[in-house]
Amino acid sequence: GENVEQHPSTLSVQEGDSAVIKCTYSDSASNYFPWYKQELGKRPQLIIDIRSNVGEKKDQRIAVTLNKTAKHFSLHITETQPEDSAVYFCAASIDDYKLSFGAGTTVTVRA
Amino acid sequence: NAGVMQNPRHLVRRRGQEARLRCSPMKGHSHVYWYRQLPEEGLKFMVYLQKENIIDESGMPKERFSAEFPKEGPSILRIQQVVRGDSAAYFCASSQANQETQYFGPGTRLLVL
Repeated sequence: GENVEQHPSTLSVQEGDSAVIKCTYSDSASNYFPWYKQELGKRPQLIIDIRSNVGEKKDQRIAVTLNKTAKHFSLHITETQPEDSAVYFCAASIDDYKLSFGAGTTVTVRA
Repeated sequence: NAGVMQNPRHLVRRRGQEARLRCSPMKGHSHVYWYRQLPEEGLKFMVYLQKENIIDESGMPKERFSAEFPKEGPSILRIQQVVRGDSAAYFCASSQANQETQYFGPGTRLLVL
């Protein structure tokens, strides 16, 4: 099955700086890559996603890049704010339904 | 439009009891997925259902766990004879047919004493 690795496991950034989270996947057939944000005790919330026919996607301060050849994708958060503090999960899907998640990155934005 | 609903939000069971977790998908969504999250870990796929059909249960333990999504009513994840290792957060997600975007419910946190 698909195996998704996520790094780093924790990330501390100064407010206003950028945060970058990287994920790799094992199955080259994966074609859908969502990112979820989960605050403590809350549900995972989709923040951005990308399909394999697109190399980059941006939504305000959040962007995702995908390198199919290297089988990795990254989340970029610019101008970080305290409310960006949360656990972020990457995921990959081969068949558009079975999401394989990374282990998560705990992001702390220091004021 | 209400989001994905799950109940109960918290469930405490003693070893050997049964746990029933319910999930009502978003309006207009016909696909339901169950995931399990252990403390400080990512979510693990368990099962994918459509109305009255189990499409993929490859992530479900072979014993004690079952899931259904009847024609009427919520999807139910049932765990029989619970053990302490079943303690986790169980999340349900739903999607529209032919859409890959999954929306998650608030989860049920199961604690087995």
